[in-house]
Amino acid sequence: KNQVEQSPQSLIILEGKNCTLQCNYTVSPFSNLRWYKQDTGRGPVSLTIMTFSENTKSNGRYTATLDADTKQSSLHITASQLSDSASYICVVTPSGGSYIPTFGRGTSLIVHP
Amino acid sequence: DAEITQSPRHKITETGRQVTLACHQTWNHNNMFWYRQDLGHGLRLIHYSYGVQDTNKGEVSDGYSVSRSNTEDLPLTLESAASSQTSVYFCASSVLAGGPEDTQYFGPGTRLTVL
Repeated sequence: KNQVEQSPQSLIILEGKNCTLQCNYTVSPFSNLRWYKQDTGRGPVSLTIMTFSENTKSNGRYTATLDADTKQSSLHITASQLSDSASYICVVTPSGGSYIPTFGRGTSLIVHP
Repeated sequence: DAEITQSPRHKITETGRQVTLACHQTWNHNNMFWYRQDLGHGLRLIHYSYGVQDTNKGEVSDGYSVSRSNTEDLPLTLESAASSQTSVYFCASSVLAGGPEDTQYFGPGTRLTVL
């Protein structure tokens, strides 16, 4: 069964600090890996999307990395802001078949002033 | 601007009643999805559609049904609501399945409570 595991489950940091969120997956072969940001009470919004051949993708202060050999991805947030407080979800889509994605449970990030 | 909307945003119903949640997108996307989100679980796929008249079961489809009569809408029906179906429901759409353009755009969600 395809699985996506995220760590830590929750994280509290001070405004201005950097942080890194982890994602380990068993989906293989995979088509793409995405990171979503979900604000409380809202739907998820895509931050980055990487195919298996990409190692890194940036979106402003968000940088995602991918190691397809170890089946690991990370999301690095630089100079955190209060608005970064949200849940961050890792999603992996298999290649071939029905392309049904597997969602991680998310990391809840709280940024304190 | 193109968008994806869900209605109602909040719904309280009683056990055994039929409930329909609406999802409407104006992007002209072929692919549409319904998920439920519960504490302790990631988003779980209920049903999905890759085009008009196409519907498929997802991971947690029991007790739910969908129909796709046009590109813009994918209503989700709970045939006989159960307390276990209390959840937040998200609709999503995408242009392509798989590949580098496979980004799903999510609606704002519907919070459903079954008493």
